[in-house]
Amino acid sequence: NAGVTQTPKFQVLKTGQSMTLQCAQDMNHEYMSWYRQDPGMGLRLIHYSVGAGITDQGEVPNGYNVSRSTTEDFPLRLLSAAPSQTSVYFCASKSPLAGVAGELFFGEGSRLTVL
Amino acid sequence: EDQVTQSPEALRLQEGESSSLNCSYTVSGLRGLFWYRQDPGKGPEFLFTLYSAGEEKEKERLKATLTKKESFLHITAPKPEDSATYLCAVQAGQTGANNLFFGTGTRLTVIP
Repeated sequence: NAGVTQTPKFQVLKTGQSMTLQCAQDMNHEYMSWYRQDPGMGLRLIHYSVGAGITDQGEVPNGYNVSRSTTEDFPLRLLSAAPSQTSVYFCASKSPLAGVAGELFFGEGSRLTVL
Repeated sequence: EDQVTQSPEALRLQEGESSSLNCSYTVSGLRGLFWYRQDPGKGPEFLFTLYSAGEEKEKERLKATLTKKESFLHITAPKPEDSATYLCAVQAGQTGANNLFFGTGTRLTVIP
């Protein structure tokens, strides 16, 4: 059972380039989300989805785009990368049985550097 | 504004030396308080959820408690494998049902 899988693990981009961070889960979780983690700051929610076809913004959505066409996948797109988007990105999912305040399962992270 | 503050930022303990980590919070309508463990280069791993003041949860050498203003993660007789960053997060009515608000963590080092 793989859990939450993120790719790539590391990526270096130049300012203005676009890319997609991939996230897949095999636990049949309806809720999926993207967080970013920066030094000296807590994890911050970027976007989340409560099911296929449904997405919503989190705390820091600017510069990012998401879509959810299947239950398993929740890609995060950077439209035009900026140095401020240098961060470690985590995808997380939650079981529909967990309730509102349920535990999140996190992937291992994708470390992005924007030059 | 919702706030979560963890202290200390870093803590070094000798193996077997018990201590506590603190998470103080200011939120409107707490739905749940979470503790996660994060190893270097890994994603956070769930430890506990606490829902109301007075609640306690235990797992091996860890015990989490909750009051109306703060939560403590007590570590009894820690071992080197307990070394990690411990994150506290809250889910509150004002931030929405689908947003966890995280603290910056306490980095724990247990020395053999």
